[in-house]
Amino acid sequence: AQSVSQHNHHVILSEAASLELGCNYSYGGTVNLFWYVQYPGQHLQLLLKYFSGDPLVKGIKGFEAEFIKSKFSFNLRKPSVQWSDTAEYFCAVTPRRTGANNLFFGTGTRLTVIP
Amino acid sequence: ETGVTQTPRHLVMGMTNKKSLKCEQHLGHNAMYWYKQSAKKPLELMFVYNFKEQTENNSVPSRFSPECPNSSHLFLHLHTLQPEDSALYLCASSQEFTGTGNSPLHFGNGTRLTVT
Repeated sequence: AQSVSQHNHHVILSEAASLELGCNYSYGGTVNLFWYVQYPGQHLQLLLKYFSGDPLVKGIKGFEAEFIKSKFSFNLRKPSVQWSDTAEYFCAVTPRRTGANNLFFGTGTRLTVIP
Repeated sequence: ETGVTQTPRHLVMGMTNKKSLKCEQHLGHNAMYWYKQSAKKPLELMFVYNFKEQTENNSVPSRFSPECPNSSHLFLHLHTLQPEDSALYLCASSQEFTGTGNSPLHFGNGTRLTVT
């Protein structure tokens, strides 16, 4: 069965520190990859997505993610975090095949940025 | 403003009660979803509706009953729930199925359900 693993459950960083959140998935076929973010008290929203092409994708607010097919990974990065980045981050994967209608989520990583 | 509105925000119900969760999307999307978010677990897809037709039921117990009267509204009817059903229930919509990959989900703020 497909699964998505986010090994970091809670990450605490000081402002200006660099961020990398891990995401690994288990699916042998072609996939589309997403990172969603949930700020405190707000709804889940799309941060960035990868469908094809350049494996390094850039999203909103200075975030980027790199798809490494050989490692089944799609790690999220930001060179310098801000207090406003405090949120929960969810990696998600969907198999790219006709009729697929499920988005598989990881358990999420809570990021706390200390001013 | 998310474009996907869920009511109520919080709901406490006993195991013998019957209640309904409501979701409305103002985005002109064709697909709507119910997800369950429990602590320390991945979001679980419960139901998918595409053009008002249910296309997915991920082995959800019959005490959860979805209804999609039109492409803008989605309900989740609840009856004889168990305490382990306490969770955050999220509604989402997309232009088309997520499976094609070109249509990200737009989520509502969720309904926090507590079953006593």
